[in-house]
Order: sequence, then structure tokens, then C-alpha cells
Amino acid sequence: GEDVEQSLFLSVREGDSSVINCTYTDSSSTYLYWYKQEPGAGLQLLTYIFSNMDMKQDQRLTVLLNKKDKHLSLRIADTQTGDSAIYFCAETPPGSSASKIIFGSGTRLSIRP
Amino acid sequence: KAGVTQTPRYLIKTRGQQVTLSCSPISGHRSVSWYQQTPGQGLQFLFEYFSETQRNKGNFPGRFSGRQFSNSRSEMNVSTLELGDSALYLCASSFGLTGNPTNEKLFFGSGTQLSVL
Repeated sequence: GEDVEQSLFLSVREGDSSVINCTYTDSSSTYLYWYKQEPGAGLQLLTYIFSNMDMKQDQRLTVLLNKKDKHLSLRIADTQTGDSAIYFCAETPPGSSASKIIFGSGTRLSIRP
Repeated sequence: KAGVTQTPRYLIKTRGQQVTLSCSPISGHRSVSWYQQTPGQGLQFLFEYFSETQRNKGNFPGRFSGRQFSNSRSEMNVSTLELGDSALYLCASSFGLTGNPTNEKLFFGSGTQLSVL
């Protein structure tokens, strides 16, 4: 089946690390993504990971993939106020084009001073 | 270059009416996908068009349809509107040639907010 689950809210202090977690059910998904949506805007691809990788780092972002547990996480180091947004975990089902993406419900990240 | 442009930005309709939303992709992109975003159901894939042909389809009723023109611009139509169709409709474009996000990064527009009264 195709289902992606995330917790709905996360609050962190400015300067701390944020860790957003996601579980997915389709173990044969090829790519897993993290998208960011700011208020009044569309979605922006932050990063993605290929299913044969365990980790990917891109500046302040670190993605960890545990394929055995079907668990994906996004760590944002030194969280800033500009990181306030909704973060979506997503996957591409096998056999689908890169455009057919299954999204999680999104995690709203809020930053406190 | 210009991003993905969706028009109109906001739309208010009443039940039973129909609506057409427009999406202009990034120049050179041939794939256009449509997504519906609601607080209850989240983001759901509607369909994808590539070179004027529907290539992928989600699980929406036939009231939701789309088309793509030779310049890759796409329209989405919803007939016989229901209250539950109130949502943010997002369009995304890409080159559409491979399944590798390195080459196929999806670019989203800001969406059309549809309210059905």
C-alpha cells in the first residue's frame, strides 16, 4: 500500500537542531523526498534520497533512511526562524514517473526564541 | 527564468458550478502534474500530463479532468462542484523525461485556492 505518516507538529528553540520523522509503507519506493511549504507558497524540494542510500547531507540538512524500518528523518542543524514551515515527507511509488508523488500529512515546524 | 504560474490565485464558486484552473509550466518543461491539498486529506495526486497526453492518474472521480496544450500549458477542470472540492490546487512542472530527481526536479506553483460555497 501507499501511505506516508508524519507527526503534525514540532516546536524547537532557535539554534537547536530539528528532527522531523516519517514512516512509509511501500518498501519498494525508489526515491524519498523532503519538501518545504511556506505560508501562501507552493512546495519546494529540499532534498531527496535514493533508496539504496542510508544518509545524505546537504549543508544544514541531513537525511537518514532506515529501509528495514521504513523510517525517514530530516535533521535541520542550527534551526533559524526562516525554517518555520510545513515539511512534507514523500515517496515515488515503484513504476511511477517522478511526478506522481505520495505525500505525508506534513509536519508544522515552529521556532521559538 | 519565470517559475510555474497558476491562475487565478483565488476562486469562489457555488455548488454545481464548474471551474477551470490554469497552469503555465517553466519554459522547456513538458510534464505538468496537478495536486489537491486539503487540511483533511493532505496532498493528493490528481493527474500528470506529458506532451499533451495524460500519463498518470490518481484516484479522483471523473468530474476532475485536465488537458495540456502544445505549448505545455495545462488546464484542470472540475465539473459539478461539491463543497468537498474546496482546496488548494497545486500544479508542478518538470522535464518529464526520466524518473531521477537529479534530472527531474519538480517545480511547484503557488496554487489556486478554490472555495466552494
